[in-house]
Amino acid sequence: EIVMTQSPATLSVSPGERATLSCRASQSVSSNLAWYQQKPGQAPRLLIYSASTRATGIPARFSGSGSGTEFTLTISSLQSEDFAVYYCQQYNNWPPYTFGQGTKLEIK
Amino acid sequence: QLQLQESGPGLVKPSETLSLTCTVSGGSISRSYYYWGWIRQPPGKGLEWIGTIYYSGSAYYNPSLKSRVTISVDTSKNHFSLNLHSVTAADTAIYYCASMPSGVIGATGRLDYWGQGTLVTVSS
Repeated sequence: EIVMTQSPATLSVSPGERATLSCRASQSVSSNLAWYQQKPGQAPRLLIYSASTRATGIPARFSGSGSGTEFTLTISSLQSEDFAVYYCQQYNNWPPYTFGQGTKLEIK
Repeated sequence: QLQLQESGPGLVKPSETLSLTCTVSGGSISRSYYYWGWIRQPPGKGLEWIGTIYYSGSAYYNPSLKSRVTISVDTSKNHFSLNLHSVTAADTAIYYCASMPSGVIGATGRLDYWGQGTLVTVSS
């Protein structure tokens, strides 16, 4: 099973600033990686797939990069609605598909 | 746009079977370019993939749950279902259903449309 490790666990950033979230895989997952955003009381929402492709309707301030074992989600200028928990998920080696433990992005 | 809605009991007794249904609207569950999955999230914790099924009935499961899980599909009712047997308190979670686009070979693995989730508590 591939283990996904996200860092940091909590990230404090001011609105308007850039946020950089990291995800590391225990072995290569090529570019088969997705990012999700989850707000309290809501289901996760797909942001990025194939490591760098934005899902339908996702603003351009969200970008993904990386391949192999190291991945990054960048939010270029944080808006109030962006404060949430973010998960990465690999779908290269399955079963099972596996998720990271999440990064909570909070207002500084 | 697809919409998914979970339904089922919110309380299940230990050792019994957890049964949930996901009803799909906005499109046919038989469309060849989607697979259908279940994911769960214990309160305050992270996400765990449970299993995925195709409209043909072909399913695959998380090895950690495989001995207790069955996922089935009913194309006439446009829904798919989850049965988790012999539950314990560790199975208390929010259960989500979601769609998974097809790829060149099988499912892509990403989860694009999600239901709102349903909390299932295992307790006597």
